[in-house]
Amino acid sequence: AQTVTQSQPEMSVQEAETVTLSCTYDTSESDYYLFWYKQPPSRQMILVIRQEAYKQQNATENRFSVNFQKAAKSFSLKISDSQLGDAAMYFCAHRKSSGDKLTFGTGTRLAVRP
Amino acid sequence: KAGVTQTPRYLIKTRGQQVTLSCSPISGHRSVSWYQQTPGQGLQFLFEYFSETQRNKGNFPGRFSGRQFSNSRSEMNVSTLELGDSALYLCASSLGALRGGPEQFFGPGTRLTVL
Repeated sequence: AQTVTQSQPEMSVQEAETVTLSCTYDTSESDYYLFWYKQPPSRQMILVIRQEAYKQQNATENRFSVNFQKAAKSFSLKISDSQLGDAAMYFCAHRKSSGDKLTFGTGTRLAVRP
Repeated sequence: KAGVTQTPRYLIKTRGQQVTLSCSPISGHRSVSWYQQTPGQGLQFLFEYFSETQRNKGNFPGRFSGRQFSNSRSEMNVSTLELGDSALYLCASSLGALRGGPEQFFGPGTRLTVL
């Protein structure tokens, strides 16, 4: 079974600064996907970024980028130039290459200080 | 394209009752997954439907059931409600094909309160 661990329940960052959220996972699969989702107070789960395990290049989406270390089973999210709208709960998730079940971590609550 | 829609958005039920939640996926998406979110247990996978067939199931009791219609819309049913069933129920849709996009897109959720 897959497990996803987020060891930082809460993080805080100054507006315009950079913050990194940590995620580790455990899987016996060699082919899988990793995701970061954002859940603001509205509770709508929003996809932030995805990474395919077979790709060595780290994914980036505007101010969001990941550091994917496959051997270490680590998948951190870096948010650059943090904005007030980035304040939310962030979930790391794993999905096998076959099947649609997402396994989520417990989440990291990010606060952005003005 | 319209996003994933879920109805109703809020529900209040009493113990012992049953409830049906509905989810309409993004047009063209054939896979619908359901998740339960609670403060204590976090996000837990309930089941996934693809082309009207349950393809994957989580570790929930048989009181939780679902189905998918030919237009890919899905319903989730919980019978004999318990206090612990109070949660946010999230529906997610995806293309579902092995070589299609792996992303799941979530609806706004249904907040169920059991009294």
